[in-house]
Amino acid sequence: EAGVVQSPRYKIIEKKQPVAFWCNPISGHNTLYWYLQNLGQGPELLIRYENEEAVDDSQLPKDRFSAERLKGVDSTLKIQPAELGDSAVYLCASGQGASTGELFFGEGSRLTVL
Amino acid sequence: AQTVTQSQPEMSVQEAETVTLSCTYDTSESDYYLFWYKQPPSRQMILVIRQEAYKQQNATENRFSVNFQKAAKSFSLKISDSQLGDAAMYFCAYRSDSWGKLQFGAGTQVVVTP
Repeated sequence: EAGVVQSPRYKIIEKKQPVAFWCNPISGHNTLYWYLQNLGQGPELLIRYENEEAVDDSQLPKDRFSAERLKGVDSTLKIQPAELGDSAVYLCASGQGASTGELFFGEGSRLTVL
Repeated sequence: AQTVTQSQPEMSVQEAETVTLSCTYDTSESDYYLFWYKQPPSRQMILVIRQEAYKQQNATENRFSVNFQKAAKSFSLKISDSQLGDAAMYFCAYRSDSWGKLQFGAGTQVVVTP
């Protein structure tokens, strides 16, 4: 079974440029999460989806970040415009509600803003 | 709000020896999940072990075991017979239910020396 797939793995952009990250969750998983991980720190939730609905986006900086999960499957996280402080790893995870509680993570997308 | 605290930024252990990682959490819930995740340098989070709060018996997975003290809100991880492949960042995480977000601690870097 394929795991959570994220792309791109690495992205280098100049500040004020836009960037987008894509996530394909494990088939059948109805919950999807985007986490931000700064170097040497634990991941922090940006947004949580149940199917197509964003049920928790309280930590998403909505002035520059946006996300969507069309048809309750793939998801895209966008930053526009990027700032120097956005340099981090963006992790996607998926899970099945009402199950073991485990989340499955992708390898992450490392963003460097110059 | 729930918080997860890992007070050991780094722990060093020799091969074949045992190391214990500490984790405390704060919650007012009575039912919840606790996890230890491993993050090797490739960045993909891998589940090490899981504990449901209603279960009194401590979880065990091969060389990995936990000491779950519900009243003390403590959830430590013991790695026995340490191997070089155990070197990674270990995160303690809390989840209130199978639909909610995963709340992470800051992580503990485990260094394994030959």
